[in-house]
Amino acid sequence: SQTIHQWPATLVQPVGSPLSLECTVEGTSNPNLYWYRQAAGRGLQLLFYSVGIGQISSEVPQNLSASRPQDRQFILSSKKLLLSDSGFYLCAWGGDGNSPLHFGNGTRLTVT
Amino acid sequence: AQKVTQAQTEISVVEKEDVTLDCVYETRDTTYYLFWYKQPPSGELVFLIRRNSFDEQNEISGRYSWNFQKSTSSFNFTITASQVVDSAVYFCALSEASAGNMLTFGGGTRLMVKP
Repeated sequence: SQTIHQWPATLVQPVGSPLSLECTVEGTSNPNLYWYRQAAGRGLQLLFYSVGIGQISSEVPQNLSASRPQDRQFILSSKKLLLSDSGFYLCAWGGDGNSPLHFGNGTRLTVT
Repeated sequence: AQKVTQAQTEISVVEKEDVTLDCVYETRDTTYYLFWYKQPPSGELVFLIRRNSFDEQNEISGRYSWNFQKSTSSFNFTITASQVVDSAVYFCALSEASAGNMLTFGGGTRLMVKP
């Protein structure tokens, strides 16, 4: 069966520090991968998606970037965090077509 | 552009009451998919159901039921005999066939079930 792992679960970082969140998927090949952000008390905003290695599409211009160095690995990064980057970050994978997305447990990021 | 609206930001009920969560969507595509997800306090998003635009049959799964009405662009979710464990944020989402499985989420409805 497929599983998705996301870490760390929580992170507190000072403004201006770098960020790296990692997400890996097991049990499937060539998944579509997604990063979503959920600000406190708000809905989910799609940040990045990837349909293959090295292929990244950005939905929202921001301080963040994403990379997909391997088929089942998706990384969310920032060179310098802003206070507004605080939130709950969720990685997800999906199969072909309009199959449901399956989400990781999320990373709660607090930028201080 | 696609859009999903969940007008109820927060609902509070007492255990065993029935509760309906509303979802209204906008899309220009004729082929699209609707989803409901549950986000318990632990944070992960749990997939509940997917419906395609050509299937307007209502669905029942245990205490959960979904009413899809294209005429009103709504995909409402009813929990019968609610339980404390149903307390969560519930998200409705839409994907257009042309967009693969990129979901547009509604703002979510926080359901609180009190004992």
